[in-house]
Amino acid sequence: KQEVTQIPAALSVPEGENLVLNCSFTDSAIYNLQWFRQDPGKGLTSLLLIQSSQREQTSGRLNASLDKSSGRSTLYIAASQPGDSATYLCAVSPDSSYKLIFGSGTRLLVRP
Amino acid sequence: GAVVSQHPSWVICKSGTSVKIECRSLDFQATTMFWYRQFPKQSLMLMATSNEGSKATYEQGVEKDKFLINHASLTLSTLTVTSAHPEDSSFYICSSEGQGNEQFFGPGTRLTVL
Repeated sequence: KQEVTQIPAALSVPEGENLVLNCSFTDSAIYNLQWFRQDPGKGLTSLLLIQSSQREQTSGRLNASLDKSSGRSTLYIAASQPGDSATYLCAVSPDSSYKLIFGSGTRLLVRP
Repeated sequence: GAVVSQHPSWVICKSGTSVKIECRSLDFQATTMFWYRQFPKQSLMLMATSNEGSKATYEQGVEKDKFLINHASLTLSTLTVTSAHPEDSSFYICSSEGQGNEQFFGPGTRLTVL
């Protein structure tokens, strides 16, 4: 059974710092991996999607990497801003069915 | 990206009543939609896959008679929580399949059962 773990559970950093969020999964046979952002009481916003054949994806200040063989992904946020404060969720898809298995998230607080 | 809406955004009901939550894809047709549940400070758990014109597929441990799903059209899926109890209080989020394996998520519905 696929399990997705995110470390740390919570993170507080001063504005401007670069930071890394970690995601690990137990079964390396994934179809793709996605990173989402969730603001309190809101739905999810997709940040980056990495196909199983890819190693990384970049969007603006965000960079996500994927090491399928070791079951790990990282989300790198450069020059963090208070507006980046949110919960970041990692999710893997086991196949092309769109089914997603989520990690428990990392709650990020960027202090002004 | 595509837009998915949910209605209502929040609902409070008495124990024993039934609550219907709607999930709509506003600018595209969705053969498949998904329903998730999220308890406070926990992650999203997939409850069921809603298929247009056919029965929903439920995840293990989810009672299909308690969580009724109807996907009558390509733009609307509904989740009805029957005989709701306080333990059903949660944040319910739907999503819809998109192109390129993307999923588009609705804003969620906060259900509180008194």
